[in-house]
Amino acid sequence: NAGVTQTPKFQVLKTGQSMTLQCAQDMNHEYMSWYRQDPGMGLRLIHYSVGAGITDQGEVPNGYNVSRSTTEDFPLRLLSAAPSQTSVYFCASSLLAGTYNEQFFGPGTRLTVL
Amino acid sequence: KNEVEQSPQNLTAQEGEFITINCSYSVGISALHWLQQHPGGGIVSLFMLSSGKKKHGRLIATINIQEKHSSLHITASHPRDSAVYICAVGKGAQKLVFGQGTRLTINP
Repeated sequence: NAGVTQTPKFQVLKTGQSMTLQCAQDMNHEYMSWYRQDPGMGLRLIHYSVGAGITDQGEVPNGYNVSRSTTEDFPLRLLSAAPSQTSVYFCASSLLAGTYNEQFFGPGTRLTVL
Repeated sequence: KNEVEQSPQNLTAQEGEFITINCSYSVGISALHWLQQHPGGGIVSLFMLSSGKKKHGRLIATINIQEKHSSLHITASHPRDSAVYICAVGKGAQKLVFGQGTRLTINP
């Protein structure tokens, strides 16, 4: 099993550009989530999904969209990138209810917005 | 005030020392997770616990629900244990709230 994969690993955007961060898992996990990690701060939840067709907002959802059309994939879309979105983004998955189960993290995407 | 506080923020020790990292939280939780972030950035789950104590190799995690406190212990520390250790608590079934992490450096 590949576990949780993320692409790209690195990305540089200009302010106002849009892009999609890809996340996929092959463990048949129902719960998937996106986090951002900034220096001096803990990981913060952006959006999460409890199954195909079901998504909800986390702590810092503004400027990001998600969708979950399949169990395997959970892309994160930046609609109009801003310098404040410069961060490292992690996708994670777990079986069923997220907080009661072991979390599996992707390798992360380092995003710089100029 | 953060809902999850870790201490210390940074810890440097010599190989072989007994290490303790603390996590305090201010909210009711569903479960508590300890994670390890490698120098290369990857994050792996170490423990998930809701009561008592768990042990895996040289790592031990404890939680005191009444005191809203958890500790992660490393026995016979080794330079390969150098990493950032992260505490996270579950708020309900769907949301994790993370501490800022403790950067551990073990010198040979």
